[in-house]
Amino acid sequence: AQRVTQPEKLLSVFKGAPVELKCNYSYSGSPELFWYVQYSRQRLQLLLRHISRESIKGFTADLNKGETSFHLKKPFAQEEDSAMYYCALSVWSNSGYALNFGKGTSLLVTP
Amino acid sequence: NAGVMQNPRHLVRRRGQEARLRCSPMKGHSHVYWYRQLPEEGLKFMVYLQKENIIDESGMPKERFSAEFPKEGPSILRIQQVVRGDSAAYFCASSPRGRLKREQYFGPGTRLTVT
Repeated sequence: AQRVTQPEKLLSVFKGAPVELKCNYSYSGSPELFWYVQYSRQRLQLLLRHISRESIKGFTADLNKGETSFHLKKPFAQEEDSAMYYCALSVWSNSGYALNFGKGTSLLVTP
Repeated sequence: NAGVMQNPRHLVRRRGQEARLRCSPMKGHSHVYWYRQLPEEGLKFMVYLQKENIIDESGMPKERFSAEFPKEGPSILRIQQVVRGDSAAYFCASSPRGRLKREQYFGPGTRLTVT
């Protein structure tokens, strides 16, 4: 069975500090991992996908198959990064590419 | 491209009434997913549809819930005889065909409140 775990419900950091949002998954095969972000009063939007291996808004995430993790990192947090972050896993199945989401982590960046 | 549209954004229903949630996918997208988010929870998959076909509804409750995606018009998620436990945010996402079909674009959601 697929499962995505985001252990932190709320993460508060100061502006300029490094931030790491944790995500662990369980799946025996090779899933595709994503990070979605939801800013206040906006829709859920794709931030990163692991196969792209790119940096968006200063965020990066590396898939660690040994630790089954896909943590999201940014070296210097900005106030505009305050948002809800969801880690999600996708595997092709009868459900197409349905996403399996974690419960989310609320990031608060304070000045 | 206006993106995925959902309406209404907020819907209040009394117990026993019907709720109809609409989702218009992005132009050119032929795949629609519906997700439900209960309070303090992540989004949970409900149903996957292509035009005129329900591909997988394994995440949808067997009773009272139904979904469609007609040839013309939006996708509809219908909840009959709503109960308090149906109160949640309902999101739809659409994706294109082919190589890019893994990418899902989300609508703003419909917040259903059952009183």
